Amino acid sequence: EVQLLESGGGLVQPGGSLRLSCAASGFTFSTYGMGWVRQAPGKGLEWVSSISPSGGNTYYADSVKGRFAVSRDNSKNTLYLQMNSLRADDTAVYYCAKLVPAIGSDCWGQGTLVTVSS
Amino acid sequence: QPVLTQSSSASASLGSSVKLTCTLSSGHSNSIIAWHQQQPGKAPRYLMKLEGSGTYNKGSGIPDRFSGSSSGADRYLTISNLQSEDEADYYCETWDSNTRVFGGGTKLTVL
Repeated sequence: EVQLLESGGGLVQPGGSLRLSCAASGFTFSTYGMGWVRQAPGKGLEWVSSISPSGGNTYYADSVKGRFAVSRDNSKNTLYLQMNSLRADDTAVYYCAKLVPAIGSDCWGQGTLVTVSS
Repeated sequence: QPVLTQSSSASASLGSSVKLTCTLSSGHSNSIIAWHQQQPGKAPRYLMKLEGSGTYNKGSGIPDRFSGSSSGADRYLTISNLQSEDEADYYCETWDSNTRVFGGGTKLTVL
């Protein structure tokens, strides 16, 4: 069974940093692109970042470019999102998702809540 | 980059059918999309991929009541024999080489 388990969320002050992790199991992690999607309270889904299977290509939404960095460790089957210079409008539940070419985000984690507040 | 437009809300009666629409922006009418369901308080769940031809492929465990179809730039999700557990937010998703995009979501109420 494919499983994605996010961790690392919490309360952080504006300007602070946080690193999210997503532990993957049940599939060959190194052969799939992965992504991060967030959902602010009461709002819709917003794509944040994607990374290629090897980690050699990374992509970001304009809203996080220059502040967030996505990476992966294929030896540990784990996806990361390093979030710096956090702002109040980064407050959201962050989901990781498995990406399949021409299919979309075909599996989602349960999400981890990030709250940016003083 | 593509833009996806969804109605903000829809409603239908228990046991009836409902058809939700996701419209692709100009220049992207042939794009593949994915439909996702998000029940209250839960993570999104992948329902299906849907091509411009109307061909769709559902995710594992998705009931036969869920189907997809297409017309031009419009992508449809039809839910038949509505059940109470179908009350949820429904999102469409598409992508290009560098970005992924979600529609604003449709909140479905089962009456």
